[in-house]
Amino acid sequence: SAVISQKPSRDICQRGTSLTIQCQVDSQVTMMFWYRQQPGQSLTLIATANQGSEATYESGFVIDKFPISRPNLTFSTLTVSNMSPEDSSIYLCSVEDSQSYEQYFGPGTRLTVT
Amino acid sequence: RKEVEQDPGPFNVPEGATVAFNCTYSNSASQSFFWYRQDCRKEPKLLMSVYSSGNEDGRFTAQLNRASQYISLLIRDSKLSDSATYLCVVNTAGGGADGLTFGKGTHLIIQP
Repeated sequence: SAVISQKPSRDICQRGTSLTIQCQVDSQVTMMFWYRQQPGQSLTLIATANQGSEATYESGFVIDKFPISRPNLTFSTLTVSNMSPEDSSIYLCSVEDSQSYEQYFGPGTRLTVT
Repeated sequence: RKEVEQDPGPFNVPEGATVAFNCTYSNSASQSFFWYRQDCRKEPKLLMSVYSSGNEDGRFTAQLNRASQYISLLIRDSKLSDSATYLCVVNTAGGGADGLTFGKGTHLIIQP
């Protein structure tokens, strides 16, 4: 499986600011995704990061709040904009094996908004 | 009805015992099924895919019942290190996370 890294691993931010999270994969992958896991909850898909085009967002998530970049097949960023305490969560990127459809997750970014 | 339902537990099981989890899904068009394991404050890690014929990996056995739309995970000879949250995941599309739905997880505690 691919090796996935995320930066930062954690951050504490003030409300109204923005944070950009980076996801790096050690091999080229077609499908890359961003998830959120709020305290005590399961994972919720934010968007699919498409290489060379705009991300595909799930219901309840919008580009202005969560802009995503995917400049190449090994890298993506997720920005959490104009943060509020409700954005406190773990943000995870994942990649999909194109043959098995199995997904592998990065270590996550733990965000706390004060 | 929730798309993927799991008993949240916690399941408190003595070391060495056998424990089974079930998971039900609502979308009959679901095509791929997985069990993930998530340790506290860690990312989910793929435990095993679930195939129509059932599959086994060491102490772990997964089974799929399409007619009843449920998936099971059996853990034999449980170890202390098996303590974790087990996530049932269903993919409705042929691939891609647009069809990926996570259950809320079943919390397992193995007691010495």
